[in-house]
Amino acid sequence: GENVEQHPSTLSVQEGDSAVIKCTYSDSASNYFPWYKQELGKGPQLIIDIRSNVGEKKDQRIAVTLNKTAKHFSLHITETQPEDSAVYFCAASKGAGGGADGLTFGKGTHLIIQP
Amino acid sequence: GAGVSQTPSNKVTEKGKYVELRCDPISGHTALYWYRQSLGQGPEFLIYFQGTGAADDSGLPNDRFFAVRPEGSVSTLKIQRTERGDSAVYLCASSAGMNTEAFFGQGTRLTVV
Repeated sequence: GENVEQHPSTLSVQEGDSAVIKCTYSDSASNYFPWYKQELGKGPQLIIDIRSNVGEKKDQRIAVTLNKTAKHFSLHITETQPEDSAVYFCAASKGAGGGADGLTFGKGTHLIIQP
Repeated sequence: GAGVSQTPSNKVTEKGKYVELRCDPISGHTALYWYRQSLGQGPEFLIYFQGTGAADDSGLPNDRFFAVRPEGSVSTLKIQRTERGDSAVYLCASSAGMNTEAFFGQGTRLTVV
């Protein structure tokens, strides 16, 4: 089955700086790569996703890049703000919405924005 | 409703008891997923419904776990003879179809004492 590795487990950055979280996956058949933000006591919330036919996608301060050859994908947050503090999860699946196998998640990155 | 709703939000039960966790998906969403999230970990896939049928239950850890979705809307996750290791947050998600994003509920925190 799919295996998703996520690094770092904790990331502390100064407000206004950029943050980068990296993930690798093992199953070359995976073609959908969402990123979720989870705040304490809440469910994961989709913030951006990318499909395998695209190398990069941007939405305001958030961008995701995908390297299918290397099986890497990364989340980039620019101009970080205190409200960006949360746990971020990457995930992979063979179809949007999880497909038949569901989403395989990384272990998460606790992002801390220092004021 | 506006989003995926899960009840109860918290459940404490004694080891060996039976529990039911409920998920109300977004109206009209045909796909429904259950995940389990242990402390400090990412969610782990349990089961996926397309309509009323379980399309994939490969993530259920053993036969103490069972889920139903009899009318293709609300789903219930059932756990028999609960064990302390079952303690986790159980998350439900729904999507409008195979090629659309999945929306998560806030989860049910299950504690087995």
